[in-house]
Amino acid sequence: DAEITQSPRHKITETGRQVTLACHQTWNHNNMFWYRQDLGHGLRLLHYSYGVQDTNKGEVSDGYSVSRSNTEDLPLTLESAASSQTSVYFCASSESQGGETQYFGPGTRLLVL
Amino acid sequence: RKEVEQDPGPFNVPEGATVAFNCTYSNSASQSFFWYRQDCRKEPKLLMSVYSSGNEDGRFTAQLNRASQYISLLIRDSKLSDSATYLCVVLSGGSYIPTFGRGTSLIVHP
Repeated sequence: DAEITQSPRHKITETGRQVTLACHQTWNHNNMFWYRQDLGHGLRLLHYSYGVQDTNKGEVSDGYSVSRSNTEDLPLTLESAASSQTSVYFCASSESQGGETQYFGPGTRLLVL
Repeated sequence: RKEVEQDPGPFNVPEGATVAFNCTYSNSASQSFFWYRQDCRKEPKLLMSVYSSGNEDGRFTAQLNRASQYISLLIRDSKLSDSATYLCVVLSGGSYIPTFGRGTSLIVHP
């Protein structure tokens, strides 16, 4: 069955370190998204991609970057982790045509000390 | 004003009750509407799309009111397993980028 996975599921890191969160989908979807979810803010869009080599900034992109070298993967990198980036991170994907329904990964819980 | 607004709740109801949530949106050009369900510490999952004429899926009924720019979700005969956060999602025309509400928390108790 097609799925979307994230790794690691939990991560503890220190301020200033570079962190990369992986997202892998086997739906063959062109659209992929990264969100963070915090109490009081709901889901906020970080970056998104409509296909290979395409990346776009979302609502809250500062301190984050993504790259899309193939259809299946959209890794999220925190260049220099800050305590304000402690959050739950969700990756999602959707079809390129009529791609309204998003399929979410299980999430990565990141703690920056 | 946030683009998509929901009452955060929690709505605390007994089993068997009927409960309704509303969600208002600010962009009159919005074209697609959805309800997602999110269980505690889990990812959001699509519950149902919301069609212009309204639609029903078992105990769940979704309605769209374009004139007043809100969508609603009605849950009949609430079950304990309905306890979750319900997220309202709106897409503007031609966009694959959804705007999520902050969610409404539902607690169904025995």
